[in-house]
Amino acid sequence: NAGVTQTPKFQVLKTGQSMTLQCAQDMNHEYMSWYRQDPGMGLRLIHYSVGAGITDQGEVPNGYNVSRSTTEDFPLRLLSAAPSQTSVYFCASSSASGWGRNIQYFGAGTRLSVL
Amino acid sequence: AQSVTQLDSQVPVFEEAPVELRCNYSSSVSVYLFWYVQYPNQGLQLLLKYLSGSTLVKGINGFEAEFNKSQTSFHLRKPSVHISDTAEYFCATMNTGFQKLVFGTGTRLLVSP
Repeated sequence: NAGVTQTPKFQVLKTGQSMTLQCAQDMNHEYMSWYRQDPGMGLRLIHYSVGAGITDQGEVPNGYNVSRSTTEDFPLRLLSAAPSQTSVYFCASSSASGWGRNIQYFGAGTRLSVL
Repeated sequence: AQSVTQLDSQVPVFEEAPVELRCNYSSSVSVYLFWYVQYPNQGLQLLLKYLSGSTLVKGINGFEAEFNKSQTSFHLRKPSVHISDTAEYFCATMNTGFQKLVFGTGTRLLVSP
């Protein structure tokens, strides 16, 4: 099983550019989320989704958009990149039922630099 | 609101020595507790979890943690570490009934020969 797949692994952007970070999972998980990881700050939740067509904001949503048109995919969009968005981004997914709903599976991450 | 405190940003230890990574949580409701490990340039991998039942939880790679409700702690322990345990370790909590993980700031475990 591929699990949670994130692309690209690395990206360099110039300030003001836009891009989409891709996340796909093949476990039929209802719940998906995006985190950013910054030194000394752990992981912080950006946006999450409890199912196709349903998204909500996390702790640090500003500057990011998401949509969830299918169960498998949960892309994260940066409309106008800023240096403050330089970070490592992780996508995670989990089941919505039973004890499995408490276990989140993480992708390998996307390392983004905004110059 | 939930929060997780990992007081030690870095823990150096010699190979085969025991180690304890500390985690304290703050929540007014029942929580689930987790430890994740991140090896260099990799994603997060679940090490162990406390959902209910026994307060002593065993995980992968010989790690264990004990849930202490009175002290609101969930410290991670290993009796004898290996060089390969060098990684960053994150404690996380989740309110029962929700699926949002709240992470601590992480503890970097450095194992030297």
